[in-house]
Amino acid sequence: EVQLVESGGGLVQPGRSMKLSCAASGFTFNNYDMAWVCQAPKKGLEWVATISYDGSSTYYRDSVKGRFTISRDNAKSTLYLQMDSLRSEDTATYYCARGPGDAWGQGASVTVSS
Amino acid sequence: DVQMTQSPSYLAASPGESVSISCKASKSINTYLAWYQEKPGKTNKLLIYSGSTLQSGTPSRFSGSGSGTDFTLTIRSLEPEDFAVYYCQQHNEYPLTFGSGTKLEIK
Repeated sequence: EVQLVESGGGLVQPGRSMKLSCAASGFTFNNYDMAWVCQAPKKGLEWVATISYDGSSTYYRDSVKGRFTISRDNAKSTLYLQMDSLRSEDTATYYCARGPGDAWGQGASVTVSS
Repeated sequence: DVQMTQSPSYLAASPGESVSISCKASKSINTYLAWYQEKPGKTNKLLIYSGSTLQSGTPSRFSGSGSGTDFTLTIRSLEPEDFAVYYCQQHNEYPLTFGSGTKLEIK
């Protein structure tokens, strides 16, 4: 069974950093591009970033470029999202998703507040 | 960026009825359009990709159509489990963009 399990969320102050992880199982992780998608409270889905299957290419939405870094460890079947210089508008649930969007995690909640 | 305009934002229908949701792209995305279902307590589910191809496990009462800029998700003969929020997403180019969602509620 394909599973994606996010961890690392919580409450963080503006300007600080947080790192999310997504542990993948049930499929050959290094065959797939992976993505992070977020959803602010009571809002819709918003794509954040994508990384290619081998980590050689990354793509970001403009609002997180230079602040967020997507990475992966194929040996550990784990996806990461390093979030720096966090802002209140980054408050959201962050989902990891397998490239084609055919598998999603349950999400990790991130609240940026003083 | 490709803007995805989804309508309606809210839809009320009864089990057994058929409904359609529209998604319009601000420029051509060929058929690089996916539809997702969001339900409380469940992970998001890919229903349709490439505009009209049913993802494995998607019931046949769901169908997708369109190409270029205009797309439609149709659900025939609604079942109780279909009441949820639906999103379209274009994956023709980065940044990937979603529609604003359609909440389908029981009338």
